[in-house]
Amino acid sequence: GENVEQHPSTLSVQEGDSAVIKCTYSDSASNYFPWYKQELGKRPQLIIDIRSNVGEKKDQRIAVTLNKTAKHFSLHITETQPEDSAVYFCAAVDYKLSFGAGTTVTVRA
Amino acid sequence: DGGITQSPKYLFRKEGQNVTLSCEQNLNHDAMYWYRQDPGQGLRLIYYSQIVNDFQKGDIAEGYSVSREKKESFPLTVTSAQKNPTAFYLCASRWAGELFFGEGSRLTVL
Repeated sequence: GENVEQHPSTLSVQEGDSAVIKCTYSDSASNYFPWYKQELGKRPQLIIDIRSNVGEKKDQRIAVTLNKTAKHFSLHITETQPEDSAVYFCAAVDYKLSFGAGTTVTVRA
Repeated sequence: DGGITQSPKYLFRKEGQNVTLSCEQNLNHDAMYWYRQDPGQGLRLIYYSQIVNDFQKGDIAEGYSVSREKKESFPLTVTSAQKNPTAFYLCASRWAGELFFGEGSRLTVL
């Protein structure tokens, strides 16, 4: 089955700086890579996704890149704000979603 | 108002009791999933169903059971065989790859 590894497990950044989270996956059949943000006690919410036929996607301050050859994908958050503080999960999808272990992002004011 | 509804939101049970968590969706999605989340950990797949009357074990199915008699409903039973059932349980449905999550059920076994 699919195995998704996510790094780092925790990330502390100064407000206004960038944050980068990296994930690797094992199954070359995976073709969809979503990122979810989960605030404390809440359900995960999709923030951005990318499909295997695209190398990069951007939505305002967040962007995702995908390298299918190397089987890794990354989330980039620029100009971080306190409301970006949350746990972020990557996932790789074939017929089921396999999640990374999560990254706790703390934005220091 | 479309979405995934989980109930109850909070549940306390004594050790050794079976409990059933409800998950209902009105999104007309075929695929539904149950995940377990422990503090500081990611989402681990318990069971999933891609169509009515069919379901498969996920990565941590031991001690759990499900049914999928209706498209809208995918209840999860936490049995007494589950060694450490205290956790946050998330139900989701899926469309075109994207998961739509319910608000979760927090189960505490005393």
